[in-house]
Amino acid sequence: DIQMTQSPSALSASVGDRVTITCRASQSITNWLAWYQQKPGKAPNLLIYQASSLESGVPSRFSGGGSGTEFTLTISSLQPDDFATYYCQQYNSYPGTFGQGTKVEIK
Amino acid sequence: QVQLVESGGGVVQPGRSLRLSCAASGFTLRGYAMQWVRQAPGKGLEWVAVILYDGSDEYYADSVKGRFTISRDDSKNTVFLQMNSLRTDDTAVYYCARPAGFGDHLPYYFDSWGQGSLVTVSS
Repeated sequence: DIQMTQSPSALSASVGDRVTITCRASQSITNWLAWYQQKPGKAPNLLIYQASSLESGVPSRFSGGGSGTEFTLTISSLQPDDFATYYCQQYNSYPGTFGQGTKVEIK
Repeated sequence: QVQLVESGGGVVQPGRSLRLSCAASGFTLRGYAMQWVRQAPGKGLEWVAVILYDGSDEYYADSVKGRFTISRDDSKNTVFLQMNSLRTDDTAVYYCARPAGFGDHLPYYFDSWGQGSLVTVSS
């Protein structure tokens, strides 16, 4: 199985900050990577697919990049609604493994 | 409007069984490789199982292989997860998820999720 490792596990940031989360795959997944946002008590919500494609309705301050084994999710200017936990998921092959999550907290 | 509604969760003793259902509406289940993802309290997301769009195969996480069985009834637009020999570490919210792709055997990301069904395994 492909292992996904996110860093950091948690971060504190202020409104307006630029935030970057990294996700590394244990082997190449080309660009078959998605990012989700999850808030407490809610199901995950798709933000980015195919590493850099923005899901319809997702604000443009979210962007994704990378290929192969290293990927990033960037929030260009953190907003109050963005405080949540973020997960990457590879869908190069089954099982579609997730990273362990990055919790973005208010500084 | 696409909707997935899970049901069947509850409190169960270790070693017992439980069957989760995921009822789909707003789209036809036929053609989608439906999947289950779980989340233990305070933990991250864990992929559990997939049944391919034509029912030709299933894949499972190592942690549930041999104990859980995923199935589908396209006529009822419903997916199931039969969970046997439950353990305390199976305690989690179980989500049903729809992949974004349709009609092939490729993995996809998830564009729709249910609200989740809580399974608590405790004596």
